Amino acid sequence: QSALTQPASVSGSPGESITISCTGTSSDIGTYNLVSWYQHHPGKAPKLMIYEGSKRPSGVSNRFSGSKSGNTASLTISGLQAEDEADYYCCSYTGSSTLIFGGGTKLTVL
Amino acid sequence: QVRLVESGGGLVKAGGSLRLSCAASGFTFSDYYMTWIRQAPGKGLEWLSYISSGDSTTYYADSVRGRFTTSRDNAKNSLYLQMNSLRAEDTAVYYCATFSSSGWCFDYWGQGTLVTVSS
Repeated sequence: QSALTQPASVSGSPGESITISCTGTSSDIGTYNLVSWYQHHPGKAPKLMIYEGSKRPSGVSNRFSGSKSGNTASLTISGLQAEDEADYYCCSYTGSSTLIFGGGTKLTVL
Repeated sequence: QVRLVESGGGLVKAGGSLRLSCAASGFTFSDYYMTWIRQAPGKGLEWLSYISSGDSTTYYADSVRGRFTTSRDNAKNSLYLQMNSLRAEDTAVYYCATFSSSGWCFDYWGQGTLVTVSS
């Protein structure tokens, strides 16, 4: 199964909002609301930001939100801050007890 | 707090084997599903395997099924990844993480251990 499709890069200025898309198929994102998003600063441990499509773990800023439409999930970061600059990955359940990641998106805060 | 520390990475020749370990602390290890994920140089994350908490049932990605084996020792609070028939494309940083079987997501991650397979 091919990786979920994410834009290679997005950018925004401090205070702005950005959205990262994650496109799958009717066999994964389209059927299951089990998309999660991870923030990864290179050299550090990745961090869970969103699970089950739109839920935030305790301690994650409410500037981060998730949604889904059809076969595409999205992560929106509002009020961009310098520390948000990182790589972001989506991940989805595939319906056969397996999971698949997106290719990752590099967020640059200008 | 939750702490996961991977070890066992290093340089190995193609066709060789390596066993990674993940030492867990700060939570009741035996209650948690666990997983392995890797990141090849310049590439994205790739889910490899997970193991259940109770009966240690395992699931694998197609890319490693039959070559890699995930196991756990609840008495030692440890997770393992036995990697056989290694290929150059297995070169990556390997992460262990806790796995939520209800949310199908990875709650907490270790810092990773680097495996380099030379051809």
